[in-house]
Order: sequence, then structure tokens, then C-alpha cells
Amino acid sequence: KAGVTQTPRYLIKTRGQQVTLSCSPISGHRSVSWYQQTPGQGLQFLFEYFSETQRNKGNFPGRFSGRQFSNSRSEMNVSTLELGDSALYLCASSLQGAEDNEQFFGPGTRLTVL
Amino acid sequence: GQSLEQPSEVTAVEGAIVQINCTYQTSGFYGLSWYQQHDGGAPTFLSYNALDGLEETGRFSSFLSRSDSYGYLLLQELQMKDSASYFCAVSPSNYKYIFGTGTRLKVLA
Repeated sequence: KAGVTQTPRYLIKTRGQQVTLSCSPISGHRSVSWYQQTPGQGLQFLFEYFSETQRNKGNFPGRFSGRQFSNSRSEMNVSTLELGDSALYLCASSLQGAEDNEQFFGPGTRLTVL
Repeated sequence: GQSLEQPSEVTAVEGAIVQINCTYQTSGFYGLSWYQQHDGGAPTFLSYNALDGLEETGRFSSFLSRSDSYGYLLLQELQMKDSASYFCAVSPSNYKYIFGTGTRLKVLA
């Protein structure tokens, strides 16, 4: 079974631009969560989607948004990029979300904001 | 606020036993998970505790005490490949996870 895939793997943007990251979950998984990982901050929860609905979100500004499609693929968008948005963005999928104990992570998208 | 605390770094020798502690302060609690992440890799699931006690999976064991808001990951018979970062994570509410900042484990030959 194919794992979680994320595209692109690397991205370089400049301040003020916007970016869209994509995540394809494991086949059959309906829950997708997004995380921002920075050195010293660990993984910070952005939001979780299930059946095209955002069920929970973390404490990030409104510049961070996401959506999920009917095939469970998910995208996250960051508008008006800031230098501090440079990070590894990880998505994770699971069958149901809350009822599952295990999340499967993708390799991440490394975003650099110049 | 909600927070998880774990040591930033632990060093041990091959063949030894190491314990990585995690204390949490969250508004709710559904369970404590542990993930391993090698440099440049994605986090991978190791274990999950929803109830007090010890869960054993091969060389790895995880413990939870909900009354103490505390858990630990125990790694036995350490191998060089165990050198990685280890994260504890708590689900304080439905569909949400909070991760610790990670413990970097260095295994020395």
C-alpha cells in the first residue's frame, strides 16, 4: 500500500507570496492532519480534516488555511508569507482520526521563505 | 495553556536501556502517543497508551500514569539505529494532537 505523499518536497518563496501544499493520504484513510515542524518547536498542529470538513484547528493565524477533497486529498495554503513560516510542513493520515491511535506521516514539504 | 515537556537530549551506549520521560498539562486527555523521527525522515508511530500501565512492543515499552500526567518511553537493548528524535503526543480533544518538542537520542558505540 502506498504511503502518504506530499508535493512539492521543497519550495522556496519570498515574503508576501502565497503557497499551496498538497497531501495525498493512504488509500482508505479519511482523516488528514497538518503540522508545522521547526527546530526547537517540535510539531505544531495546524488543522484536521475528515470527509471534507475541518474538525479541529490549532493556534495559527488565518493566513493558514486548508481544505479536503472528496477523494480525501488535502491542500493547505499559506498567504502573505512571512520569514517565520519557513518550516517543514507535515501531513498525517489515519482511517478515522479520533478513534485511531496511529497517524501515518508523509515526508513533508520543506518551505523556505526568503 | 497546554504543554508537553520532555528532555531535549539523552545519550546512552549501545546495548543499554534508556527512558524518555514526558509530562503533560492539557485541558483534556484521550491518550499518549510516541513517535520516532530520524533525521530527514517522517515521524513514525511507536506506541499509544490510553489507560494507566505499561504497554510493551518488542524492545520498546511505554508507560502512562494519568493521575500524574506523566508517561515514559523505555528503549531496551539500544542499537545504533535507535539514534533519532522521539516525540510524545497527547490528544487533548477530539481530532487534535499536541506534540512535545522532542528528545534527541544519541546512541554511542
